[in-house]
Amino acid sequence: GAVVSQHPSRVICKSGTSVKIECRSLDFQATTMFWYRQFPKQSLMLMATSNEGSKATYEQGVEKDKFLINHASLTLSTLTVTSAHPEDSSFYICSARDRASGANVLTFGAGSRLTVL
Amino acid sequence: AQKITQTQPGMFVQEKEAVTLDCTYDTSDQSYGLFWYKQPSSGEMIFLIYQGSYDEQNATEGRYSLNFQKARKSANLVISASQLGDSAMYFCAMREGPGAGTASKLTFGTGTRLQVTL
Repeated sequence: GAVVSQHPSRVICKSGTSVKIECRSLDFQATTMFWYRQFPKQSLMLMATSNEGSKATYEQGVEKDKFLINHASLTLSTLTVTSAHPEDSSFYICSARDRASGANVLTFGAGSRLTVL
Repeated sequence: AQKITQTQPGMFVQEKEAVTLDCTYDTSDQSYGLFWYKQPSSGEMIFLIYQGSYDEQNATEGRYSLNFQKARKSANLVISASQLGDSAMYFCAMREGPGAGTASKLTFGTGTRLQVTL
């Protein structure tokens, strides 16, 4: 089945630094990937839709300059949390769909837990 | 209004028993998809089962079945013969619009924490 790899799984950084999270589709091409954010004991909230070769589409209330998304190839999307602050500490998880297979299912990466000190 | 509502923050079930996790949804689209995902403490989201709005039969995947009642806009997950490894958070999610399009983004409910006991 489709596999999505996400790296790093955990990252701790100092306030003010930037952190990059990678999301790769390992065995399929993904023209679209989705980035979600999950606070402790809460649901997943869609942050943005990453589109290969074009600008990401951000959900209302998500700062595009804060959360930079780059989808430079059909298998890789990156999320960069710029000038991270403690309130950015969260679980970030990406997902993609193997459209070529005809599957309806979104496959998720294992997530990245960001802690900003 | 909430698009996906899961009214049970937590549920307990004894091993080998069946359990039903509730999910109701709200959409004006005729074509949509309903999903259930399991999230263990490690954090990954594991796909369990899918139901399309036009599917006439309830979806089943092994011990998982989806009780789809379209008129009531409910899509409850039934887990039969519960196992200790089923203890996790369970999320109901909806995709609005046809799945063939690029609009595959999902809206999630708040989740139900299931605890399977001996």
